[in-house]
Amino acid sequence: GQQVMQIPQYQHVQEGEDFTTYCNSSTTLSNIQWYKQRPGGHPVFLIQLVKSGEVKKQKRLTFQFGEAKKNSSLHITATQTTDVGTYFCAGAVQGAQKLVFGQGTRLTINP
Amino acid sequence: NAGVMQNPRHLVRRRGQEARLRCSPMKGHSHVYWYRQLPEEGLKFMVYLQKENIIDESGMPKERFSAEFPKEGPSILRIQQVVRGDSAAYFCASSPGRPGEKLFFGSGTQLSVL
Repeated sequence: GQQVMQIPQYQHVQEGEDFTTYCNSSTTLSNIQWYKQRPGGHPVFLIQLVKSGEVKKQKRLTFQFGEAKKNSSLHITATQTTDVGTYFCAGAVQGAQKLVFGQGTRLTINP
Repeated sequence: NAGVMQNPRHLVRRRGQEARLRCSPMKGHSHVYWYRQLPEEGLKFMVYLQKENIIDESGMPKERFSAEFPKEGPSILRIQQVVRGDSAAYFCASSPGRPGEKLFFGSGTQLSVL
């Protein structure tokens, strides 16, 4: 079945440092989505990427979708304490009935 | 404009009891998904439902687990004869359209089995 792998599992940074999480799918995706889950909270949608090679930015967050539509990354520039949480990628395969989530990358920040 | 509503927020059951988790999707959403999350782990797909239909239950254990989304009322995830391994956070999500669109999650139900 479809698998979505995400690395690293954990990342601890000093406030102000950059952070990147990577997502790889075993199959070609029709789109990829990113979600953020704060500690004790629920996943909240951040963004969706659809096109091969697509890059989208949200303030300090940069999202990329690979050319082959099998991998993606989320990069945060100059982290702030409000960025703490777990970031999940989720892939949709054409014709599939569900989103498959990666294991998530838990980001902690030293202020 | 209420979001996805889940209740109860916390549910404690003894081994062998039944657990019923409820989810009301966002207004206008007819697609409901249930995911399970163990501590420090990702979201595992369980079941996808539309009104009165189970579309995909490939992630749901064959025994003790069932789900429904009736014409009227919330979606229900039912776990019979709970065991300690069922302890987890159960999240419901809804979307307005076809699979693959973005999901709106509820706050989840934390199930603890004693």
